[in-house]
Amino acid sequence: EPEVTQTPSHQVTQMGQEVILRCVPISNHLYFYWYRQILGQKVEFLVSFYNNEISEKSEIFDDQFSVERPDGSNFTLKIRSTKLEDSAMYFCARGVGTGNQETQYFGPGTRLLVL
Amino acid sequence: ILNVEQSPQSLHVQEGDSTNFTCSFPSSNFYALHWYRWETAKSPEALFVMTLNGDEKKKGRISATLNTKEGYSYLYIKGSQPEDSATYLCAYNFNKFYFGSGTKLNVKP
Repeated sequence: EPEVTQTPSHQVTQMGQEVILRCVPISNHLYFYWYRQILGQKVEFLVSFYNNEISEKSEIFDDQFSVERPDGSNFTLKIRSTKLEDSAMYFCARGVGTGNQETQYFGPGTRLLVL
Repeated sequence: ILNVEQSPQSLHVQEGDSTNFTCSFPSSNFYALHWYRWETAKSPEALFVMTLNGDEKKKGRISATLNTKEGYSYLYIKGSQPEDSATYLCAYNFNKFYFGSGTKLNVKP
């Protein structure tokens, strides 16, 4: 099974602080996605990233969010100034296959708690 | 925002029972429908990608069907086992992935 790993597994931060969540693919991939799940709610799409550029983003993904692939391997999600409502489980996924046959493989997630 | 609904929200069955649950999605402009199995403290695991009306896919005791004209997919588990206990998520792929709330299955030994 193709995998991604995520670091850290848990993060606690103060409101207003910046956090960086990391997604580490096992091998070189082009398609990445970030999702979040607020406790008790649906999994929500945040952003998709193809070949080092954002291809789609949701209404949630506002100016306080950014994604990049700083070193060509790790894939990061940055939240510039965290709010209480950013507390959620954040999942990275990588896409395998193309078009409507694409399957997404999820990492184990980072649980973010904003105090 | 596209609405993807799953029912029931939760299900308790005895070991050996067969069970099924539903995912409904918008029936216009269908692209793909995904099923995932999500165990507690783990990441969602891809089960099926359904793309064609009438698709039927199978993986061991788990199978899924797709009706794009009426906008629903069924997931079936034959002879449930305690290790099948998990949340089963569907996701409608229409440029982005829109997830349902999941059906939480608990299989009692």
